[in-house]
Amino acid sequence: AQTVTQSQPEMSVQEAETVTLSCTYDTSENNYYLFWYKQPPSRQMILVIRQEAYKQQNATENRFSVNFQKAAKSFSLKISDSQLGDTAMYFCAFMKLRSGGGADGLTFGKGTHLIIQP
Amino acid sequence: KAGVTQTPRYLIKTRGQQVTLSCSPISGHRSVSWYQQTPGQGLQFLFEYFSETQRNKGNFPGRFSGRQFSNSRSEMNVSTLELGDSALYLCASSRRAGTNTKETQYFGPGTRLLVL
Repeated sequence: AQTVTQSQPEMSVQEAETVTLSCTYDTSENNYYLFWYKQPPSRQMILVIRQEAYKQQNATENRFSVNFQKAAKSFSLKISDSQLGDTAMYFCAFMKLRSGGGADGLTFGKGTHLIIQP
Repeated sequence: KAGVTQTPRYLIKTRGQQVTLSCSPISGHRSVSWYQQTPGQGLQFLFEYFSETQRNKGNFPGRFSGRQFSNSRSEMNVSTLELGDSALYLCASSRRAGTNTKETQYFGPGTRLLVL
């Protein structure tokens, strides 16, 4: 079974600063995806970024980027020029891919509550 | 394109009752997964349906069941409700077309269930 660990329960930064959220995972699988999801107070889970394990290049989406270290099983999220709207719970998630197609359900970390201060 | 929709958004039930939650996936998405979110246990995978068949199942008792219809809409049923079933139930859909690049899950707004 896979496990996902987010060691920072809460973080607080000033608007416009850069913040990095950490995530480590444990798996014996080689074929998987990793995700960061954001859950604002509205509780709607929003996809932030996705990383395929077979890709060495780190994924980026505008102000969001990841540092994917496959050997270290580390998957951190960097948010640049943070904005008030970035305030939310951030969840790191692991998805094992199946050889015959499809995937297992997502395994989530406990989340990091990120607060952006004005 | 409309996102994942879930109904109802809020529900209050009493112990011993049963409840049915509904999820309509994004148009063209054929896979629907269900998750339970509680403060204590966090986000946990319940099950996944694809082509009207349960393809994956998490570690939940048999009181939790689901089904999927030919239009990919899915329902989740919880029988004999317990206080611990109070949670946010999230539904997610993915294209699940057989290639790995289609496996990203997009979530609905959730159904908040309170069991008294």
